[in-house]
Order: sequence, then structure tokens, then C-alpha cells
Amino acid sequence: DVKVTQSSRYLVKRTGEKVFLECVQDMDHENMFWYRQDPGLGLRLIYFSYDVKMKEKGDIPEGYSVSREKKERFSLILESASTNQTSMYLCASSPVWGGTYNEQFFGPGTRLTVL
Amino acid sequence: ILNVEQSPQSLHVQEGDSTNFTCSFPSSNFYALHWYRWETAKSPEALFVMTLNGDEKKKGRISATLNTKEGYSYLYIKGSQPEDSATYLCAGPSGDDKIIFGKGTRLHILP
Repeated sequence: DVKVTQSSRYLVKRTGEKVFLECVQDMDHENMFWYRQDPGLGLRLIYFSYDVKMKEKGDIPEGYSVSREKKERFSLILESASTNQTSMYLCASSPVWGGTYNEQFFGPGTRLTVL
Repeated sequence: ILNVEQSPQSLHVQEGDSTNFTCSFPSSNFYALHWYRWETAKSPEALFVMTLNGDEKKKGRISATLNTKEGYSYLYIKGSQPEDSATYLCAGPSGDDKIIFGKGTRLHILP
């Protein structure tokens, strides 16, 4: 069974804390993505990576950074968490072959609350 | 950036009834359209990836059609069941290997 796992289902942090959200996939996919989902706004792309150590900004990268040191792992970093980063965060992966013709495989999500 | 619009935002359907909803997208530079189902407390999972104008795909009671010339796709559910309650997302290409999602249609099946 293909699998994308995320380090936490629920996370509560305080304003100003540095937050790491981890994502691991076991499908040997080149592409990995971080989205956030907010009510009424749908899934919005924060960052994506198409290879180890490669990253590209998505639609809403402000306040976030990412790290991809190994092919299977993609980390989202909130350098200084703020209340407006309270959201559901979803990680996804897809193979690079076929580009946007390929479905994305999603993790279960991390619901982050910043107090 | 491609804008993907979905309607309606929310839908209540009696169990056993059939239903459909819409995804619209700009028809220029089209590559592929994705449909995902996102059930509460689960991961979104792909239903269909559609590429050809006139394409029709089916998975059990769920089917989808694609019109790339006019820029829309319909998702149909025949004989709705409680397990069909979910948010249905469509997504179109947004350059490189990215896709952009619509805001989703939240489907509630009433017993």
C-alpha cells in the first residue's frame, strides 16, 4: 500500500515558536508538496520540491520554509509561528514522470493550532 | 495561475438520490483535470485524472465527464449512499508539475 505519513495529527504551539512538520513517503516519488487547507479557501500550495535539495515556492510561501535532504522526506518549517498559521497542513507526493497527469498521494494532515 | 471554480459549495442529497456537481477551468493550456474525494478524518484520495476532451471515467457509482473546449467537468454520483458524504475537490494544472485546487463541493447524504 502506498503511503504518505505526517509526523503529527494534531499540534498546538505558541506564537513565536519554531515549528517543524515532517512528511515521509515510501513510494520513491520525486515530487513532494505542502498545502494548507482553510475553510472556504480550499487547498493552497505553500511549497513543492521536485528533487532532493530542490524547492519552489507555491502560492502562499510567506512565513514558511522547507527542507528536502532525502528523497522520501519533506519538512515544512514555520520559523516563527503566528496565529494566522493555524490551519490544516497536508503533504502530498507524486512521481515526476507524467507531470500533472499523475495523481497526488496525500498524507492524513496535521491540524496545527498556534496560540 | 489557472482559476478552478467548483459549484455548488455545499449540497445536501437524500440517500438513494443521484447528484452531480461542476468544476470549471480556463480552457487554454489544458493538460489534465483531477478529481479527489476527501472524507472527514481521512486523506484526500484521487478519483480520476482526465486528459482528453469528451473523456468519461467511471468508478463504481461515481463517474466524471470532461469538456476541455468549454472548460468544465461534471462529477456524477448515482444512488447516493452515506459513505459518499465527503468533500469533492477538482484540480487543474498550474505550471510545471503543480496543480491548483478548487474550493471543493461539500456533499452531505441525508438518511
